[in-house]
Amino acid sequence: GAGVSQSPSNKVTEKGKDVELRCDPISGHTALYWYRQSLGQGLEFLIYFQGNSAPDKSGLPSDRFSAERTGGSVSTLTIQRTQQEDSAVYLCASSVGQGTNEQFFGPGTRLTVL
Amino acid sequence: AQSVTQLDSQVPVFEEAPVELRCNYSSSVSVYLFWYVQYPNQGLQLLLKYLSGSTLVKGINGFEAEFNKSQTSFHLRKPSVHISDTAEYFCAVSGGNTGGFKTIFGAGTRLFVKA
Repeated sequence: GAGVSQSPSNKVTEKGKDVELRCDPISGHTALYWYRQSLGQGLEFLIYFQGNSAPDKSGLPSDRFSAERTGGSVSTLTIQRTQQEDSAVYLCASSVGQGTNEQFFGPGTRLTVL
Repeated sequence: AQSVTQLDSQVPVFEEAPVELRCNYSSSVSVYLFWYVQYPNQGLQLLLKYLSGSTLVKGINGFEAEFNKSQTSFHLRKPSVHISDTAEYFCAVSGGNTGGFKTIFGAGTRLFVKA
């Protein structure tokens, strides 16, 4: 496909379980972003990858959250020991690189923690 | 820290009326400014962006925005809205004193166009 894809589209989990969310960026895009969108809230920046540089993790809300990007392409966001407040839509975006360029967003993963 | 404030959480407006969605940002250095739109049940897409140059920026679907450095504002306008413009609109800023290219988004403004 030509766009950013994310899987799963929906995830329901029990409190305390770990979850992994996947993002496939547009081919050739060197920058990849993760955001969290809670009900009635804007997009909260989580983490940013740019090429081979060290990621900007300044938005991760706690050490339960981590992300990696393998081979400069696919990225996985992992949330350990999920809490109810982690329930949100997790959005991934990619861009050609640098903050001046348009970010292309995926459809998101809706995470519900029971 | 850098921030973006969208002054209205919801804006109801009648079809064919003009609309302005307000956005203010805080930064002590130059920034890049964006408006994104999220239509119901769809992903976010770029409406327009300001990088440098002319302060009036035109985007898709007849929208435009004006960068005002002295007021640190980047308000979005459309002279005549359509039902199909009903969506959530997000103002965003990158660069500046965030360091690197992290993008900060506002909380969003829900535009509701009524017939």
